[in-house]
Amino acid sequence: GNSVTQMEGPVTLSEEAFLTINCTYTATGYPSLFWYVQYPGEGLQLLLKATKADDKGSNKGFEATYRKETTSFHLEKGSVQVSDSAVYFCALGGAGGGADGLTFGKGTHLIIQP
Amino acid sequence: DTGVSQDPRHKITKRGQNVTFRCDPISEHNRLYWYRQTLGQGPEFLTYFQNEAQLEKSRLLSNRFSAERPKGSFSTLEIQRTEQGDSAMYLCASSLVSRANYGYTFGSGTRLTVV
Repeated sequence: GNSVTQMEGPVTLSEEAFLTINCTYTATGYPSLFWYVQYPGEGLQLLLKATKADDKGSNKGFEATYRKETTSFHLEKGSVQVSDSAVYFCALGGAGGGADGLTFGKGTHLIIQP
Repeated sequence: DTGVSQDPRHKITKRGQNVTFRCDPISEHNRLYWYRQTLGQGPEFLTYFQNEAQLEKSRLLSNRFSAERPKGSFSTLEIQRTEQGDSAMYLCASSLVSRANYGYTFGSGTRLTVV
């Protein structure tokens, strides 16, 4: 079945540091890949997505590239801010055009210190 | 467009009681999903609807759980004879069929505590 593995948290960085949160997946077919972010007390917000191999998703300075050969979708940001503190979830969508439910990783808690 | 709304935000119930949650999706979205999120875990898929038809149910959805979307708009999730293990955040999400591959819009969730 489908599964997502992402790095354990919490990840603590200083403001303006470079961020990488690793995500690898196992899936049948050709899933779409997503990063969601959850701020305290709020629901999940879609951060970025990639629907096919070699696609790069980007939003708010965050980027992730769909690497089929390494089954990875690592999240990166060049210079983090305190406001980026949140829990980040990597997820994949079913290969059947999104009809299947999303499969999420366990989440990575990111803490940015001023 | 007010996004996906869930009601109530919080629910505390005694073990053995029944509870019902409501989700109002984005009005033009014809797909609606329910997920469960426990502390320290990612959301887990429970079920989804396309219009009023329930098309898929996870094995996590025991026979004490039932979901409906009678008119293809709002949805309800009922848990009968609640157990402490049902304590979790219940998330609803919606999307367009044609855009389901592009991610869903989630509500803020209903946090259930069974005491």
